[in-house]
Amino acid sequence: NAGVMQNPRHLVRRRGQEARLRCSPMKGHSHVYWYRQLPEEGLKFMVYLQKENIIDESGMPKERFSAEFPKEGPSILRIQQVVRGDSAAYFCASSPLAASSYEQYFGPGTRLTVT
Amino acid sequence: GEDVEQSLFLSVREGDSSVINCTYTDSSSTYLYWYKQEPGAGLQLLTYIFSNMDMKQDQRLTVLLNKKDKHLSLRIADTQTGDSAIYFCAEKDSSASKIIFGSGTRLSIRP
Repeated sequence: NAGVMQNPRHLVRRRGQEARLRCSPMKGHSHVYWYRQLPEEGLKFMVYLQKENIIDESGMPKERFSAEFPKEGPSILRIQQVVRGDSAAYFCASSPLAASSYEQYFGPGTRLTVT
Repeated sequence: GEDVEQSLFLSVREGDSSVINCTYTDSSSTYLYWYKQEPGAGLQLLTYIFSNMDMKQDQRLTVLLNKKDKHLSLRIADTQTGDSAIYFCAEKDSSASKIIFGSGTRLSIRP
């Protein structure tokens, strides 16, 4: 049973470009969470999605960031017009049950570098 | 608001026990976790404890929870070089979707 998959593992973008980060949850999991880890810091929650629905986006920056989890295919975190401050590791997690579950399984992360 | 605090660094001698401490503020925390992150890697869930427990042991790992003081600790017995990593303390309320992480404790092992 494959774990949570994220791609790309490393992404380099110039300021002003768009970054698209993909996350495929574990098989049978329909709940996806995105977290951001800035250098030398812990992970900070960004957004929680179920298929075709955003449930909690309280941690998402108000501008330039969006997330989706379509009926088919992976979840996408999209960052428009990237700036240097967006350089971070972005982790996706998935769970089989509702948010009340304690289980969240993390992927290996995508390391975004903005030059 | 919710906050999780832990010291930034810990250095121990190989073979000794490591104790990493953490405090949290959310009194409604239901689940408390310890994650391990090696350089350039993702997060590995080491162990977790429910808030109605005081202690959990899993091979070399012992987790102690003092709910009154909102203090969580992770003890690693017989620390090995492979234990070098950053250890994150984290907590979650059963009604919330997000896990709240501390800033991590970097554990280094001396020969």
